[in-house]
This record gives sequence, structure tokens and C-alpha cells, in this order.
Amino acid sequence: EADIYQTPRYLVIGTGKKITLECSQTMGHDKMYWYQQDPGMELHLIHYSYGVNSTEKGDLSSESTVSRIRTEHFPLTLESARPSHTSQYLCASSESTLGTEAFFGQGTRLTVV
Amino acid sequence: GQSLEQPSEVTAVEGAIVQINCTYQTSGFYGLSWYQQHDGGAPTFLSYNALDGLEETGRFSSFLSRSDSYGYLLLQELQMKDSASYFCAVPDLNSGNTPLVFGKGTRLSVIA
Repeated sequence: EADIYQTPRYLVIGTGKKITLECSQTMGHDKMYWYQQDPGMELHLIHYSYGVNSTEKGDLSSESTVSRIRTEHFPLTLESARPSHTSQYLCASSESTLGTEAFFGQGTRLTVV
Repeated sequence: GQSLEQPSEVTAVEGAIVQINCTYQTSGFYGLSWYQQHDGGAPTFLSYNALDGLEETGRFSSFLSRSDSYGYLLLQELQMKDSASYFCAVPDLNSGNTPLVFGKGTRLSVIA
């Protein structure tokens, strides 16, 4: 069983609010990822990290920011939520070596009204 | 960047065999992974191919041809619970520290 956790599972929030989606893993993985996925659609890479204090933007940065102060924690922040941010956000982690399995959290389903 | 192409939908009968293809265009290649995602769930890892050939894991097998930039996932003895979306994925060697990027996914419907 994967040890990667996301909170909250569901969130409804008003436009303009600042929100932080939490992601933690207990596997000691160096690489962590945030993906955005609409129902039945592809996974878009938003941000990724390859270690503490090292982050990169993906193809869809989605006006969000991340931080990696600790290996196990990789929160995603939306400074000002918009209805276009309504989606599912998936966090994942993997070991540093290429080709290793990525483990996903259960996701946060965000609705901005 | 990386480009992965998969069929958007496949329908197959319970008990049958189905093949889901993935072609990729990459400036470098390390290996091809497959993930399964049920509606409302998280993607879960199925298989990984770094070398040419077939890798078998129970009812699921995955094949890779590096010369053809092509791979497929083969599901045998289909069961209703296999209805899900299937994604192929590769490390993006063009981006620093090689994040994992996914194809658009193939939605498999298993019918009785």
C-alpha cells in the first residue's frame, strides 16, 4: 500500500481565496509531483520536485506555487482561486532513479465557486 | 518535449483479450510505464519496459519496441473490473530531473 496522503479530499471554496493542498509521503522518495486532471481526461504536470529546496514548473503551472522544505512534504498553493481551477489535483512520488514506480495519493477534488 | 499517442477509447467483451497501443516521440528515451486508473480513483502502476520485448505479470503484459517507438499493454481474460483508463508514461528527458509525463489515456469498457 502506498504511503502518500493528500488533504483535503474534497474542497469547495469561493473565488479569490487562497488555498493550500497538502501532500505527504513516508517512503523517503526524492521526487514528488503535482498533476491536474479533469474527470476522464489526461494528467497535466503542474509542478515537480527532485529534492529538498528544488522545484520546477511543469507544462501547466496553473498560477500555483509549491515548496519542498522537507523531503516528505510537498504542498501546492493557489494564491487566488478561480473557477477555472476547478479540477482534481493528484500528488505523486517516486524514487530518484529513472523507471521506478510512481505512487499516487487519492487526490483533492477542488471546486471553486 | 515528449509526445505520447494512445487511442481514446476501447471496448471489449468479458473474457476476451484487448491490446492498448502507445506510440511515443521523444528526443531521448529511457523506458515506458503503464498505469491504471478507475473512475474516481488514483492511478496505480502496472508495468515498466526499458528493453525490447514482452513483460508478463499475470493477466497483464506489456510490450516495447524501441526501434518503432511503440509499446502496448495486453490484457487477457478480461474482467468487468478491468474497466478503467489506462495511461502510458515516460520520463521527460528534456526537462531537468526527468519528470514523469503521461499520455492522454485510453478508456477501456468491458462489456458482458
